Amino acid sequence: GEDVEQSLFLSVREGDSSVINCTYTDSSSTYLYWYKQEPGAGLQLLTYIFSNMDMKQDQRLTVLLNKKDKHLSLRIADTQTGDSAIYFCAESGNDYKLSFGAGTTVTVRA
Amino acid sequence: DTEVTQTPKHLVMGMTNKKSLKCEQHMGHRAMYWYKQKAKKPPELMFVYSYEKLSINESVPSRFSPECPNSSLLNLHLHALQPEDSALYLCASSPNPGGGLNEQFFGPGTRLTVL
Repeated sequence: GEDVEQSLFLSVREGDSSVINCTYTDSSSTYLYWYKQEPGAGLQLLTYIFSNMDMKQDQRLTVLLNKKDKHLSLRIADTQTGDSAIYFCAESGNDYKLSFGAGTTVTVRA
Repeated sequence: DTEVTQTPKHLVMGMTNKKSLKCEQHMGHRAMYWYKQKAKKPPELMFVYSYEKLSINESVPSRFSPECPNSSLLNLHLHALQPEDSALYLCASSPNPGGGLNEQFFGPGTRLTVL
């Protein structure tokens, strides 16, 4: 968690776009990931991006990576109530470990 | 089969009990992980098995003892736990041990309460 930082809370209206931000410090990071955790459940891998890419889109999800600023974001289009969860960004380098951020709690309001 | 399963879902134990957590995957993944997660916090890595051998032990107290009987199964044996060990214990697996892409797939977890 020390090497990856996220804002802790985000409130968004149903139907709007959500943007969750993350910064990391390890320049040797090769892949960056977004995980979703619903209450009482395990972590679900949503998407990942290779550090040489700057964007990846997968249905309602868009990942943007600014490698120069070490900034990662996850945009969720047309946010639904089922998107309410904690979202963790994570990075991996050349070992088995994932370094997770503290998690952003996203609350979707009607 | 594209999921990681964990049993039991919930476990309550006393400080003198011995219990085991179980994890199973049939995706042919060669790395398996144990994590501990406290409420509203990110998962903390405990152990990593790669090709059924213990690769990483993150200075976990000896009251937690992992075991990997085969490439599909991972156990966590618990003995003389403390109340502060109460947490959600998550198992994960990944196809590719080592560096590079490290997609980890998580089970639903075991909610452990130590009285």
